[in-house]
Amino acid sequence: DADVTQTPRNRITKTGKRIMLECSQTKGHDRMYWYRQDPGLGLQLIYYSFDVKDINKGEISDGYSVSRQAQAKFSLSLESAIPNQTALYFCATSGSGAKTDTQYFGPGTRLTVL
Amino acid sequence: AQTVTQSQPEMSVQEAETVTLSCTYDTSESDYYLFWYKQPPSRQMILVIRQEAYKQQNATENRFSVNFQKAAKSFSLKISDSQLGDAAMYFCAYRSAPRGQNFVFGPGTRLSVLP
Repeated sequence: DADVTQTPRNRITKTGKRIMLECSQTKGHDRMYWYRQDPGLGLQLIYYSFDVKDINKGEISDGYSVSRQAQAKFSLSLESAIPNQTALYFCATSGSGAKTDTQYFGPGTRLTVL
Repeated sequence: AQTVTQSQPEMSVQEAETVTLSCTYDTSESDYYLFWYKQPPSRQMILVIRQEAYKQQNATENRFSVNFQKAAKSFSLKISDSQLGDAAMYFCAYRSAPRGQNFVFGPGTRLSVLP
């Protein structure tokens, strides 16, 4: 089974709708991240969480919110989706000990906002 | 703030040949990590190789190796004996060593492997 899973894998929604993307991990990592990928821009950090009570904004957090329900779960919400939020979204995890330097990614969620 | 540049949006290589992907970064720090991630059509981000800045020896992983030039802030990826399965987007990434620092990704290079 995959260590980092994301649901859904693909989603089409309409402008103004609320949508939630979910991420779960079985790696036992404390740190979780949400990224957005647009063509030609690499990955941009939306939000990150170093533990259940520690949530921080990334470089492009406007229009997004997150919830860290447990160590293993980190959800990303778009309260009112807009077309320019159409992108590929990745969840990632990393440890908090000697191996904090490497991130492990989920399979991604392709979101289309019409 | 740190930045990562990949100046080659697209590259191609003949099967079994060698190709080098370029990456440069800008930082004022002395201790950090560098990574190459591969993203095949399946969209999965896969770690290819990592390099610790304090290590002078270039990292290698099977057919993948890096040329790390700390003074020049350059971190290129060499793929030897290219295979069709190497076709993917390749992202260079930087992370400061102190805990709590996040990753900075380059824009990516799309590699095509020609049969």
